[in-house]
Order: sequence, then C-alpha cells, then structure tokens
Amino acid sequence: DQQVKQNSPSLSVQEGRISILNCDYTNSMFDYFLWYKKYPAEGPTFLISISSIKDKNEDGRFTVFLNKSAKHLSLHIVPSQPGDSAVYFCAAQITGSARQLTFGSGTQLTVLP
Amino acid sequence: DSGVTQTPKHLITATGQRVTLRCSPRSGDLSVYWYQQSLDQGLQFLIQYYNGEERAKGNILERFSAQQFPDLHSELNLSSLELGDSALYFCASSVEGGRTEAFFGQGTRLTVV
Repeated sequence: DQQVKQNSPSLSVQEGRISILNCDYTNSMFDYFLWYKKYPAEGPTFLISISSIKDKNEDGRFTVFLNKSAKHLSLHIVPSQPGDSAVYFCAAQITGSARQLTFGSGTQLTVLP
Repeated sequence: DSGVTQTPKHLITATGQRVTLRCSPRSGDLSVYWYQQSLDQGLQFLIQYYNGEERAKGNILERFSAQQFPDLHSELNLSSLELGDSALYFCASSVEGGRTEAFFGQGTRLTVV
C-alpha cells in the first residue's frame, strides 16, 4: 500500500521553463511534507518542506504547494536549470510520531539545455 | 557534504552471508534512520534509533537488525543474505524536536551474488 505516490517516473523540460513535479498521498495523518533531490551515487539532499498548516512555501527558485483537501502537493522549479536534472523524491511525515519519512518512488527530472 | 558518513560505499557478498553496514550521524544528531532503496523504488523505512534506543520499526526483515552505540554511530546487520537484498542502504540523521529534515549519507550499495 503506497501511501505516497509520484505517478510520473520522468519529466523533461527546457532550460528556463517551469518544472512541475507532483505527489499524492493517502494518509490524512501526514502533517509535514518534504522534497528531496538525489543525484546518482549520492544520498538524497533536502530541498524544501511544507507544514500542513500552510498551502505554499517558497525558497528561491523552488516553491512547494499543498492542497490538503486533494491530498496533493507539487514542487515548482522556476526557471529550470540543467543542474536541476536529478531524481526528486516527495516524502511525508507524521510529526507526532517517530518522524520517519514515507517516500514516493521518485521522478527523474531532465532539464534540456 | 551532509555530515552523515556511511561505510563501506560498496559491498559485494555471496548469498547466505552476513554483512554489517556502518553509519556515523551528523554531530549533535541523536536520531538515526535506516532506509532501503531497491532498483527503481522509493526509499523504504527500515528502523529508527534515538539516543541508543529503538524508536520505530518499518518493513525490516527478521534477518536484519540494527543498533546504536553510546557514541551514536549505528550499525545495520544483514544476515542470511538473499539475492533480493541487493539494494542501496541509506542512513539518515536528524535532531529531535520540532519539524526538521533528515540528512542522508551517500549510501552503501550492497550486491548479493
């Protein structure tokens, strides 16, 4: 039972355009959401997060949107750069618990020059 | 550099064998998490330790065990290895209290032949 789903295994965008990565979750107990970026042969690197009490969080070129009623979140990257090419993982957490992360299966983003 | 150190980076072993993966968390982090990433899958939570005590268990097989030592480093022991145990094993650490992201090591790639 996948509680966090990333339905697009891959996404290609042109440099300078917007990249939109999507994530759906099923467990309504999740109250904190994170995006991680992963390059080959490296561990996941934290990118941005959002609490369930917010619907938007920005950090530079990265914005995460949360739609609690739809149990959906998205990561927007504007403008996309070739260095953004990586696997992006969506993760969710129940902060009152041991705080382990439940991950989606990842989306491979390729930014074309 | 996340500050989380995992050794070894690569490990090749035969079926039926036992291996130990090691993780040193970031300085000051009391929580250590172990995750498994099989081919083209998301990261699956295995187990968490906090300050030497087991805090949470995920989908960890009975053949696998872990511990956290007084100096806070952690070891993941995998025994009676099977071909299907071949995967990337990641360790992550985090501070306790509030909503904080976990920092990941570079992982250990285990190949069972």
